[in-house]
Amino acid sequence: DIQMTQSPSSLSASVGDRVTITCRASQSISSYLNWYQQKPGKPPKLLIYGASSLQSGVPSGFSGSGSGTDFILTISSLQPEDSATYYCQQSYSTPLTFGGGTKVEIK
Amino acid sequence: EVQLLESGGDLVQPGGSLRLSCAASGFTFSSYAMNWVRQAPGKGLEWVSAISGSGGGTYYADSVKGRFTISRDNSKNTLYLQMNSLRAEDTAVYYCAKSRGKVHLRADFDCWGQGTLVTVSS
Repeated sequence: DIQMTQSPSSLSASVGDRVTITCRASQSISSYLNWYQQKPGKPPKLLIYGASSLQSGVPSGFSGSGSGTDFILTISSLQPEDSATYYCQQSYSTPLTFGGGTKVEIK
Repeated sequence: EVQLLESGGDLVQPGGSLRLSCAASGFTFSSYAMNWVRQAPGKGLEWVSAISGSGGGTYYADSVKGRFTISRDNSKNTLYLQMNSLRAEDTAVYYCAKSRGKVHLRADFDCWGQGTLVTVSS
């Protein structure tokens, strides 16, 4: 199974800050890496697919990069509504696996 | 508008069975793979199972293999998850999620339902 490791597990940042979240796969997954945002009591929402493609309707302040084993989710200017938990997920092979999540809080 | 609506979650005793349903609308159901993803209380996301658009391919996490069965009825635009031999560790919110493609691999989950809660406890 491919293990997905996210870091940090949580962070606190101010409105307007640039935030980066890292996801590392235990083996190469090419660009089959997706990012989701989840707010309390809600289902996850797709932000980025294929490592760097922005899902329709997602603000342009979100971006993704990377390939192979190392990936980054960037929020260019943190907004209050970005407070949430973020998960990466590989779709390269079964079983599909998620990272442990990164909780983003606003200072 | 794409919509997914899960139902069937309940309180069940260990060793019991439950069937979840997910009613889909707003897209050509048979053209897309579908998945079940669960989330235990306060925990992260765990992929449970996937089924191809035709229903000919089914895939499971090791944690549920042999106990859970995924199926779909494309004439009714409905996805199912039959859960047998339930354990306390199966307690979670179960989400159905649509894949972007006909198969679950190389595809993201571009639409999710609101989830249904399964509680396994005596």
